[in-house]
Amino acid sequence: DIVMTQSPDSLAVSLGERATISCKSSQSVLYSSNNKNYLAWYQQKPGQPPKLLLYWASTRESGVPDRFSGSGSGTDFTLTISSLQAEDVAVYYCQQYYSRMFTFGQGTKVEIK
Amino acid sequence: QVQLVESGGGAVQPGRSLRLSCAASGFTFSSYGMHWVRQAPGKGLEGVAIISYDGSNKYYADSVKGRFTISRDNSKNTLHLQMNSLRAEDTAVYYCAKETFRGGDFDYWGQGTLVTVSS
Repeated sequence: DIVMTQSPDSLAVSLGERATISCKSSQSVLYSSNNKNYLAWYQQKPGQPPKLLLYWASTRESGVPDRFSGSGSGTDFTLTISSLQAEDVAVYYCQQYYSRMFTFGQGTKVEIK
Repeated sequence: QVQLVESGGGAVQPGRSLRLSCAASGFTFSSYGMHWVRQAPGKGLEGVAIISYDGSNKYYADSVKGRFTISRDNSKNTLHLQMNSLRAEDTAVYYCAKETFRGGDFDYWGQGTLVTVSS
């Protein structure tokens, strides 16, 4: 299975400041035939199921605020929240869907400083 | 609107069985792959089992292979997870999740059903 590793495990950011989360995969999730990275990002708030934020590593799901952005390719990816809002407090997960048994990172908890 | 509603969770002793169900509505169920994803208390997400849109292909995490069986009834828009030989480490909230048309990410999740395995 492809192992997904996120860093940091948690971070505290002031309101309005930038939050950056890293996700690394144990092998490339870039599919050469279509040049797409099979990488998604989710947000999970307490007591709720995860919510899809980004797919293909950088495409925002409909309705997701543009302060959420994704970048990276191959094995190294980043989720950026450009200006942290109170409602962004949550755990964020990356997920690869390159191999059939999809795997998630361990999660990054984002809090307000 | 799309809805996924899990049921069947509860408390069970180690070694016993449980069957989870997920009732789907608001989309063409028979056109999408479906997944079970679990989350142990205070832990991260773990993919458990996958079934293709027509039920012809199934995949399992190593941790449940040989013990869990995923199935679907497209005539009833229902997904199932038969869990046998349950262990304490299977304790988790179990979510059913719908694949997108892209095939691998999940655009809809149920609210989850809690399975507690304890003597």
